[in-house]
Amino acid sequence: QVQLVESGGGVVQPGRSLRLSCTASGLTFSTSGMHWGRQAPGKGLEWVAVISDDGSSKYYADSVKGRFTISRDNSKNAVYLQMNSLRPDDTAVYYCATNGREGVFYYMDVWGKGTTVTVSS
Amino acid sequence: DIQMTQSPSSLSASVGDRVTISCRANQSITFYLNWYQQKAGEAPKHLIYGASSLRSGVPSRFSGSGSGTHFTLTISSLQPEDFATYYCQQSYSTPSLTFGGGTKVQIK
Repeated sequence: QVQLVESGGGVVQPGRSLRLSCTASGLTFSTSGMHWGRQAPGKGLEWVAVISDDGSSKYYADSVKGRFTISRDNSKNAVYLQMNSLRPDDTAVYYCATNGREGVFYYMDVWGKGTTVTVSS
Repeated sequence: DIQMTQSPSSLSASVGDRVTISCRANQSITFYLNWYQQKAGEAPKHLIYGASSLRSGVPSRFSGSGSGTHFTLTISSLQPEDFATYYCQQSYSTPSLTFGGGTKVQIK
């Protein structure tokens, strides 16, 4: 079955950078778009970014545009989230998810268990 | 930007109850609406796409309806494993997606 494992979370000071990784197994990774989402403590879900299967197209939520960069390495079955200029309100559990599709309908399909990022001085 | 609003933010119900959760969009999203379930301490799970189509393996007591700007998730007979937080999500503006604020279903 499809499994996603996120890593790279931790405690970081405001203004610093962090890179998250998500490693996938059980799927043909090079044919799957990939999402990052997040959930602040006690809050709801927020979509963060998506990357196409070949890495040529990338889209971001307004809240992270210009600070975060999504990328992938299909030879390693991995997707990354480079987070720069981190702010306290970026504190959250970060999830990666595969892109699901049924006809014209898209959704976040299989999710990892998440990695926690805390931005604090 | 498309904004999604869910109501109520929380509800209390008993096993066997019929539960209805509302989700509204600030503009028409036709049928581009997903529902997710998230249990405490776990990652979300996708339940419904296209406003009303259950993904494989989702129990038939779950159903979705609506179109345009108003959508509903119904659980026909609440089971113990259904106590969770439910989120709607629009995919009209794919690849950008937007979640609603969530509805927590608690035990009465």
